[in-house]
Amino acid sequence: SAVISQKPSRDICQRGTSLTIQCQVDSQVTMMFWYRQQPGQSLTLIATANQGSEATYESGFVIDKFPISRPNLTFSTLTVSNMSPEDSSIYLCSVRLVFTDTQYFGPGTRLTVL
Amino acid sequence: TQLLEQSPQFLSIQEGENLTVYCNSSSVFSSLQWYRQEPGEGPVLLVTVVTGGEVKKLKRLTFQFGDARKDSSLHITAAQTGDTGLYLCAGDPRSNDYKLSFGAGTTVTVRA
Repeated sequence: SAVISQKPSRDICQRGTSLTIQCQVDSQVTMMFWYRQQPGQSLTLIATANQGSEATYESGFVIDKFPISRPNLTFSTLTVSNMSPEDSSIYLCSVRLVFTDTQYFGPGTRLTVL
Repeated sequence: TQLLEQSPQFLSIQEGENLTVYCNSSSVFSSLQWYRQEPGEGPVLLVTVVTGGEVKKLKRLTFQFGDARKDSSLHITAAQTGDTGLYLCAGDPRSNDYKLSFGAGTTVTVRA
C-alpha cells in the first residue's frame, strides 16, 4: 500500500489569488494523478503528473489554470491559479503502484474561494 | 474515459438491513476497485477485483465481479451506522495511460 499526505488539508482563499497543494508519497510509485471533487459528486481527473516533464491534462483543464510539477517519483504539486468561487472543491492526489491494479488517494485538500 | 453506471445514487436504510450497490458498464475492465469516502476525507480503497466471477468478502461486505468483467456489485449485510459514506466504483480499462473510470457514486446513509 501507499501512504499519501497532502498539504494544506483545507484553505479559504480570496478570489484572484493562487494556492499550491503539495502531495508526498511514502514509497516510489509510477503514476500520480490530480482529481477534483465537487460537493456530493464523484471524481473528475484533472491531469496526470509526469516526472520531469509537463503534465498530461484532461479535456477542460489547462496548464495555465492548473500548473503541475513532479520533480521526483514521490512528490507533486498542483497550483490552482487566479481562483474564482467555481474552483471551490476538494482536490485529491492519487497514486498508482507499479505493476499493480491498485490506486490510492490522499486525504484531499478542501478549498473554499470567497 | 469510459463511464461506469452506478446505482442507486442514494440509499437510506435502517441499521441491521442489507443493501446492494451496482456498477455497470458496456466495456470490459481488467480490474475494478471499490472505495468508501467519508465527509472531509479522501476515498479509501476497500477492494480490488480482478478475475471474472470473483467474489471477495471483507467482514460484512461482499464484492462480486461479473463473469464478463463489465459489472460489479457491493453487498453489505446487517448495515451499521459506520457504513455511512459515499461508495465509488472505479474500473481499470488497462490502457497505457492507467486512467480509472469512476462511477457517479452512491451515498449510503445508515440510520440508527
